Amino acid sequence: KNEVEQSPQNLTAQEGEFITINCSYSVGISALHWLQQHPGGGIVSLFMLSSGKKKHGRLIATINIQEKHSSLHITASHPRDSAVYICAVSRGGSNYQLIWGAGTKLIIKP
Amino acid sequence: EPEVTQTPSHQVTQMGQEVILRCVPISNHLYFYWYRQILGQKVEFLVSFYNNEISEKSEIFDDQFSVERPDGSNFTLKIRSTKLEDSAMYFCASRLQGGVYEQYFGPGTRLTVT
Repeated sequence: KNEVEQSPQNLTAQEGEFITINCSYSVGISALHWLQQHPGGGIVSLFMLSSGKKKHGRLIATINIQEKHSSLHITASHPRDSAVYICAVSRGGSNYQLIWGAGTKLIIKP
Repeated sequence: EPEVTQTPSHQVTQMGQEVILRCVPISNHLYFYWYRQILGQKVEFLVSFYNNEISEKSEIFDDQFSVERPDGSNFTLKIRSTKLEDSAMYFCASRLQGGVYEQYFGPGTRLTVT
């Protein structure tokens, strides 16, 4: 069983729609990360969460530690939001290496 | 804004050859990582490096792999004898210090083994 599960695997939506991507994890974590991977392959960190909620522009990330679940929301989606969104967790200890989900491929149509 | 850089962006090599992938982490960062992503698959942890030594490595990181910080700026991943299955995108990342800090990723090196 994967330690980090994301859903959906693929998501296609129209411009302007509210987008939700979900992440569940099965291990104890020190933080959960949401990252964006562009078609060229580059990875950008969007959020790092250990509790509650964070907002950056049109992106909102929430985490429920008790339920081991996080969501990434995009409001007023735009075609430039099209990318793969990846949930990853760091388990703590001294190294904080990331354990990665498989990613959600998001396509926003104009 | 400081960034992690990686060279080359794309490397093509023949099976059995040695390759060195180079990374320049953000200058005041202390923790360094290599990850890889085989085409169509999820990103996987390879190795973490701190205080001039490997702090943790995955099962993937076998004797064919090694890492080095030869000077104060570069962080390298060497694959001694490449196999076809080493073809992947390799990402370097760095983190400021211990504790819950964000990792910053380089743009990746696409390695193609023929």
